[in-house]
Amino acid sequence: GEDVEQSLFLSVREGDSSVINCTYTDSSSTYLYWYKQEPGAGLQLLTYIFSNMDMKQDQRLTVLLNKKDKHLSLRIADTQTGDSAIYFCAESMGNTGKLIFGQGTTLQVKP
Amino acid sequence: DAGITQSPRYKITETGRQVTLMCHQTWSHSYMFWYRQDLGHGLRLIYYSAAADITDKGEVPDGYVVSRSKTENFPLTLESATRSQTSVYFCASTEGQGFDLYFGPGTRLTVT
Repeated sequence: GEDVEQSLFLSVREGDSSVINCTYTDSSSTYLYWYKQEPGAGLQLLTYIFSNMDMKQDQRLTVLLNKKDKHLSLRIADTQTGDSAIYFCAESMGNTGKLIFGQGTTLQVKP
Repeated sequence: DAGITQSPRYKITETGRQVTLMCHQTWSHSYMFWYRQDLGHGLRLIYYSAAADITDKGEVPDGYVVSRSKTENFPLTLESATRSQTSVYFCASTEGQGFDLYFGPGTRLTVT
């Protein structure tokens, strides 16, 4: 069945780069997403990548997609304390807009 | 205000009671979803709807009922609440694949 896996926790120092990894199972997923959740809030879309792309860059965010290994990563350059949050990877299922989410990676940024 | 809202934001109820969580969006998005968020499980899809009067089960539908008589509303009912349904519930909407999925602020439900 569909499954999205992420590591649960990542700790970095302010100013360092953060890399959050994700693996997914459905090779037919058209879009793959990264969402951010701050404490007590809903999820906010950070970025997404179309499945025929290998990389997408958006300011401090870089998304890498390895379709062969079904591996997605999110790199945050110059990580700030405001980047501390839970980051969710998600894959799209069919054309319904339905997303399957990973467990979320808690990013802790130390000053 | 435009957006997606949920009510109540917090709810405490007793085992066996019926509870309805409300979700309202102002964009006329076709698709609406209910997810629950639990530690260690991320977000799991309960039910979704492709349009008014069209609903379908997600990963964890047991114990829940939904309806969608109007495009903008998608209420979620727990018919007889159980402690295992203690969770944070998120409603979301989108126009479809490739469009942003917008989340509501969530409802924290505690079943005692």
